[in-house]
Amino acid sequence: NAGVTQTPKFQVLKTGQSMTLQCAQDMNHNSMYWYRQDPGMGLRLIYYSASEGTTDKGEVPNGYNVSRLNKREFSLRLESAAPSQTSVYFCASIRMTGIHSPLHFGNGTRLTVT
Amino acid sequence: DQQVKQNSPSLSVQEGRISILNCDYTNSMFDYFLWYKKYPAEGPTFLISISSIKDKNEDGRFTVFLNKSAKHLSLHIVPSQPGDSAVYFCAASDERGSQGNLIFGKGTKLSVKP
Repeated sequence: NAGVTQTPKFQVLKTGQSMTLQCAQDMNHNSMYWYRQDPGMGLRLIYYSASEGTTDKGEVPNGYNVSRLNKREFSLRLESAAPSQTSVYFCASIRMTGIHSPLHFGNGTRLTVT
Repeated sequence: DQQVKQNSPSLSVQEGRISILNCDYTNSMFDYFLWYKKYPAEGPTFLISISSIKDKNEDGRFTVFLNKSAKHLSLHIVPSQPGDSAVYFCAASDERGSQGNLIFGKGTKLSVKP
């Protein structure tokens, strides 16, 4: 039981390049999330998917797109990377909406945009 | 404007003593509060939570206290152990938080000295 798995662990991009961050969970959770963490900052929500087939914007969605491929997988795409997107990206999931339940996080993808 | 504030970036405590981490919030609509612990190169892991209908929740060495009138919560760790050395994030949610839309503080780095 791996929990939430993120790939890659590290990535360096040049400004303007694109890439997709992958996330998969094996806990049969319904809802999935993408957060970013910048130095000296808390985590901020980028996008989330409350259930398969739905996606919604979070606090900082600009410059990103997401796809909820199936119940297990939720990807985050940067179409044209910018230095301001240098960050650590965390994917998370929860069992179900409608009740308070804690997020389960992956170990993060450290992205540097030069 | 920060809705969840952790005003102490760091805290150093001797092993065996009490660690007290503080968190203040501004949004009176928050009704659920969580503490997450994060080790370097890992994702945050859920530690303990409290609903706004309670003023205390205890789990082993960890106790969270909530003072709604002061919009303040604190995490007590007794006794502190070197393995508790990590960054601790306070997080809060309103009714939307059941969807995992958490607002995080910037974190407090706890160092427990042997």
